[in-house]
Amino acid sequence: AQSVTQLGSHVSVSEGALVLLRCNYSSSVPPYLFWYVQYPNQGLQLLLKYTTGATLVKGINGFEAEFKKSETSFHLTKPSAHMSDAAEYFCAVSGYGQNFVFGPGTRLSVLP
Amino acid sequence: EAGVVQSPRYKIIEKKQPVAFWCNPISGHNTLYWYRQNLGQGPELLIRYENEEAVDDSQLPKDRFSAERLKGVDSTLKIQPAELGDSAVYLCASSSSGTSGSDTQYFGPGTRLTVL
Repeated sequence: AQSVTQLGSHVSVSEGALVLLRCNYSSSVPPYLFWYVQYPNQGLQLLLKYTTGATLVKGINGFEAEFKKSETSFHLTKPSAHMSDAAEYFCAVSGYGQNFVFGPGTRLSVLP
Repeated sequence: EAGVVQSPRYKIIEKKQPVAFWCNPISGHNTLYWYRQNLGQGPELLIRYENEEAVDDSQLPKDRFSAERLKGVDSTLKIQPAELGDSAVYLCASSSSGTSGSDTQYFGPGTRLTVL
């Protein structure tokens, strides 16, 4: 069985500040991990994913995430927040032959 | 390249009425997914198709929900009759393959259903 926990349903940061969105997972098989972003009234868009290889993954719009097996974490970071980053962010886990399981999401607000 | 197309974008119906959602996946994508997203929550898988075969429908409430993917391309999800608790956003996604679990899923904009 797989599950995802996202700590903090709502995170607020100032424009230009560090963005840190937390994701912890549980998986009975080697995990594949994903971060998606959802803007209002739109579908989900992939930011980045980890399958195998390098544990630090870079994505679009300046986001990156690091897979830490010992901590069962895949936190999303961005050095400097922009107003356009305000959205809902979802972490998801899957594995070979497994379906995606999404976390509950974290809403990011960026304050001017 | 066109993305995943869904229609309608919004639907308001009264309870006990039927409703249908349509999805056209990205060209060449063999795997198609239907998800339900309740307000303030992440998407939850309803059904997954590999070509025209439903390979995982374990989370589909089969007493009122049905789906089909004729010819392995576009798909329709139906609810009959709708209940108040069915109000949600219904998302369609597609990927080149669903077997590995590592392929990126591409999502459509969703259909927001309101049941009164």
